[in-house]
This record gives sequence, structure tokens and C-alpha cells, in this order.
Amino acid sequence: AQKITQTQPGMFVQEKEAVTLDCTYDTSDPSYGLFWYKQPSSGEMIFLIYQGSYDQQNATEGRYSLNFQKARKSANLVISASQLGDSAMYFCAMRGPSNFGNEKLTFGTGTRLTIIP
Amino acid sequence: DGGITQSPKYLFRKEGQNVTLSCEQNLNHDAMYWYRQDPGQGLRLIYYSQIVNDFQKGDIAEGYSVSREKKESFPLTVTSAQKNPTAFYLCASSIVLAVSYNEQFFGPGTRLTVL
Repeated sequence: AQKITQTQPGMFVQEKEAVTLDCTYDTSDPSYGLFWYKQPSSGEMIFLIYQGSYDQQNATEGRYSLNFQKARKSANLVISASQLGDSAMYFCAMRGPSNFGNEKLTFGTGTRLTIIP
Repeated sequence: DGGITQSPKYLFRKEGQNVTLSCEQNLNHDAMYWYRQDPGQGLRLIYYSQIVNDFQKGDIAEGYSVSREKKESFPLTVTSAQKNPTAFYLCASSIVLAVSYNEQFFGPGTRLTVL
């Protein structure tokens, strides 16, 4: 069974500072994918970044980067130069091997990030 | 604009009543999903469908039912058998390609309250 753990229920960060949101995972499959989603107060889920288990380099998307440490089973999200609009819930999620019929995502409990002006 | 629509945004139901949540997508995605989110928790999978006329139970399917008669539509019925249906319900869709990471796109959600 797959499991995602996010140990930070809430974080407060000063605007323009970098922030790291923690995510650890557990799976016995060698092939898997890790996602980060942002959920503003409006409720919709916004895809941020993806890391595949066989990807050689850490994923980056604009101000978002993923610190992927496979041996430690961690996939932390790093947001550089935080902005007030980054205030939201952030969820880490995992998908199993990429084959037909196995597209389910397992989500962590999330981290509520608040950016302070 | 392509996307996923869910209706209604807010829904109130009396105990013992069935209610159906709508989910429509025009992204031409094969797969669709229903998730439930409770306060302070992550999303839990209720049902998912990879192709038309086929669907599978997720982790918390009891008290829910779905249908997938059209590619664009995946309605969720919350039945009276669901003991604690008050929650935020999110619908999602994705392409299904073995060589792709198949990001899931989400709708705006429906907040269901049982009175």
C-alpha cells in the first residue's frame, strides 16, 4: 500500500523568503510518480509540479522545485521568493506504476502555508 | 475554454435523501475521478473510471454510486446509505497514457451539507 506523510500542519513564512514543505512517502513499487498540488481558499486543486521515480534530475517549474531524495523517500517542495498569493493548502500525492488502470492518487493530509507581509 | 465543471457549488440535503453531484469535462480525457475532502484532511478516492461504461471503487466507495455513460460526464450519487456525507467533493480527469505522468485536472468542487 502507498502512503504519503506531511508532518507540517501549518507554516508561517515572511514574504520573499524561500520555504520548504516536507513530504515523505512509502511504497514498494520501483516505479511511481509524485505530485504537488496547491489548494487556495476557493477549493480547487492546482497542479504545481511532478517528479517521476526514474527521473535523474529534480523537477523545477518556475519558482517551484522538488527536492527529491529517493533513498530517504522524500519529495519536498521548495518555493523560492514567496509571495502573498502563495498562501494556501499544499498537498503531496503519489501515483503508482504508470500503466492502464493504475492512475489513482494517494494524498497526504496537507500543509497550510501562510505568507506574512 | 477547456475544463471541468461541477454543479452545484453548494448543496444541502436532508437526511435520508439521495443526491446527485454533476461533473462534466470538455478536455477529451478518458479517465475521471471523484474525491472526498473532509476538514483538515487530504483527498480520498471514492470512484474512478478509465473508459466509458466502466468504473472501479476507490478507497471509500460505500454509500456512493456513479455512472459513466458518456466520456464527458461522471455523475456521483450520494445515497442515504452514506453515514456521514457532509464534505467537499472534487471531480478530476486525466488522459491515460503509459508514457505520460497523466496529471489530474480538478473541478471547482461541490460542498455538500446534510441538514
